[in-house]
Amino acid sequence: ETGVTQTPRHLVMGMTNKKSLKCEQHLGHNAMYWYKQSAKKPLELMFVYSLEERVENNSVPSRFSPECPNSSHLFLHLHTLQPEDSALYLCASSRQQGPNYGYTFGSGTRLTVV
Amino acid sequence: QKEVEQNSGPLSVPEGAIASLNCTYSDRGSQSFFWYRQYSGKSPELIMSIYSNGDKEDGRFTAQLNKASQYVSLLIRDSQPSDSATYLCAVNAGSTLGRLYFGRGTQLTVWP
Repeated sequence: ETGVTQTPRHLVMGMTNKKSLKCEQHLGHNAMYWYKQSAKKPLELMFVYSLEERVENNSVPSRFSPECPNSSHLFLHLHTLQPEDSALYLCASSRQQGPNYGYTFGSGTRLTVV
Repeated sequence: QKEVEQNSGPLSVPEGAIASLNCTYSDRGSQSFFWYRQYSGKSPELIMSIYSNGDKEDGRFTAQLNKASQYVSLLIRDSQPSDSATYLCAVNAGSTLGRLYFGRGTQLTVWP
């Protein structure tokens, strides 16, 4: 366990479904991130929440909707996804101020859209 | 745009050899540098961090940083088949607290 827990580990959903990915961190960090990683592609930053402020990647489709109710929890709400959205979705957390020790990643959610 | 460049590989070395992974970055204000290892289908795992010019050693791993050349590398001595993975270079740019910028990763294969 890294201190960042993601659920579910695997998710298969139809294009008309609505689902949510959950991330929880127990490290006392104050910034959380959603990344998408497709096969053979680099990590793609989707959303950043730092000090309860949201920073978006404008290229992320609106069918992805993040929610960060507090500094320990992060959700990614999914609706009407497309097959090309199938990927590994990674949550990470970090300390935004003070010494930078990098990100701690969760185990990821492997999403398959059918 | 803050760029982090890595050779995508694949890099293939025999067991017991030294594997050398390289990374360059564009932002001169960068302050913190990290190497992550990612096994296929798994999430990235932090293996090394370096903040000052020079070398930092941790077991079989040595990170090297040269800020003047905007260059950071990772050496893996006595490479093992279990080191076969993709290695991601990440840089914290000085102007964006906490934000990391990742390279595309270098795929390393260590053959027995």
